[in-house]
Amino acid sequence: AQTVTQSQPEMSVQEAETVTLSCTYDTSENNYYLFWYKQPPSRQMILVIRQEAYKQQNATENRFSVNFQKAAKSFSLKISDSQLGDTAMYFCAFYSNYQLIWGAGTKLIIKP
Amino acid sequence: SQTIHQWPATLVQPVGSPLSLECTVEGTSNPNLYWYRQAAGRGLQLLFYSVGIGQISSEVPQNLSASRPQDRQFILSSKKLLLSDSGFYLCAWMSESYEQYFGPGTRLTVT
Repeated sequence: AQTVTQSQPEMSVQEAETVTLSCTYDTSENNYYLFWYKQPPSRQMILVIRQEAYKQQNATENRFSVNFQKAAKSFSLKISDSQLGDTAMYFCAFYSNYQLIWGAGTKLIIKP
Repeated sequence: SQTIHQWPATLVQPVGSPLSLECTVEGTSNPNLYWYRQAAGRGLQLLFYSVGIGQISSEVPQNLSASRPQDRQFILSSKKLLLSDSGFYLCAWMSESYEQYFGPGTRLTVT
């Protein structure tokens, strides 16, 4: 079965610090797509960043970047210069067979 | 640009009453559509998805059903709600690059 594991249920950091959220996955596919989503207290799900497995270069979107290790099946999210507005649940997911397979999420709290 | 609508935003219903949640997408044709349920502080549970009109795949056998009467309309229904149906319901569509975009959600409380 294809699975996504987020081993950190909750994390907290001070504003302006850098934080890394972990995600590992299990799949037998060779080409796939990976995503990080953010769900702030409003509960609106927002796409943060996307990575294509066949691309070796790590994706970057402003303060958000990923460390994609295909052999290790690891897909971590780094948030630089964290801001209060980054406080949210963060979900890792990958695409397979018409669906996104989701992790259980990491609750990230940014402290002032 | 594409937009996804969900309504109602909040719903309080008694046990045994029917349910109808509606989701519509604008700005795209023949999207894959999805219904999820989320308990407070938890992850997403896929309930149903549809790759075309009249095509529904059920992921979790339960008290709910889904229909897709039009290309960009996806409806979640129940004939008789249970207490366990309470939760936050999210509708999403998938782009050609496999990204999912979500509606604002419906908070359902069954009393």
